[in-house]
Amino acid sequence: GPKVLQIPSHQIIDMGQMVTLNCDPVSNHLYFYWYKQILGQQMEFLVNFYNGKVMEKSKLFKDQFSVERPDGSYFTLKIQPTALEDSAVYFCASSNWGYYAEQFFGPGTRLTVL
Amino acid sequence: GEQVEQLPSSLIVQEGASVLINCSYTDSASVYFPWYKQEPGKRLQFIIDIRSNMERKQNQRLTLLFDKKTKHLSLHITATQPGDSAIYFCSVNNAPRFGAGTKLTVKP
Repeated sequence: GPKVLQIPSHQIIDMGQMVTLNCDPVSNHLYFYWYKQILGQQMEFLVNFYNGKVMEKSKLFKDQFSVERPDGSYFTLKIQPTALEDSAVYFCASSNWGYYAEQFFGPGTRLTVL
Repeated sequence: GEQVEQLPSSLIVQEGASVLINCSYTDSASVYFPWYKQEPGKRLQFIIDIRSNMERKQNQRLTLLFDKKTKHLSLHITATQPGDSAIYFCSVNNAPRFGAGTKLTVKP
């Protein structure tokens, strides 16, 4: 079936640095999501992106976070600057009908902030 | 905001047994409820969904029951196999919100 790709699979950075997580969604999908999962905890919604805009974001989507998808390329999550509590696995997902259809998930990017 | 509670947190059964995973939510306006599974080392994978205008949906060995009044869902898996071992997540996609997951282990 269709696959969502995430690059890199693992990223280690120092606190205060900037990081960009990349997601290659399913080609005909229009809705994109980022989720955050700290080890052993629930997966938490961060943000939903459609038509070049953030449609909804949670309290976890801090001011240091930003998303974009320039010219149909990767859907990216940028964190600048990073903090220790940003260490988690970040999952990207895409769907073609917004919240009312199944989402296709990427394998996740494990971010470690030292 | 929407709260999603999923129980139990883990299940260990023998191959061939049936299991039941329960999920409850709080927002009565929620209308779409997909479920996913995540096998060890793999990505989340959609397995079944139900909308609020339905009470029951079946997909092979999976049956999903929905009670709008009590805001409760149950996923029933019959004739379990070792390959069913995974973490199962209920989701309320209006939010979207996930339950904490149920880790199912099926022993051969």
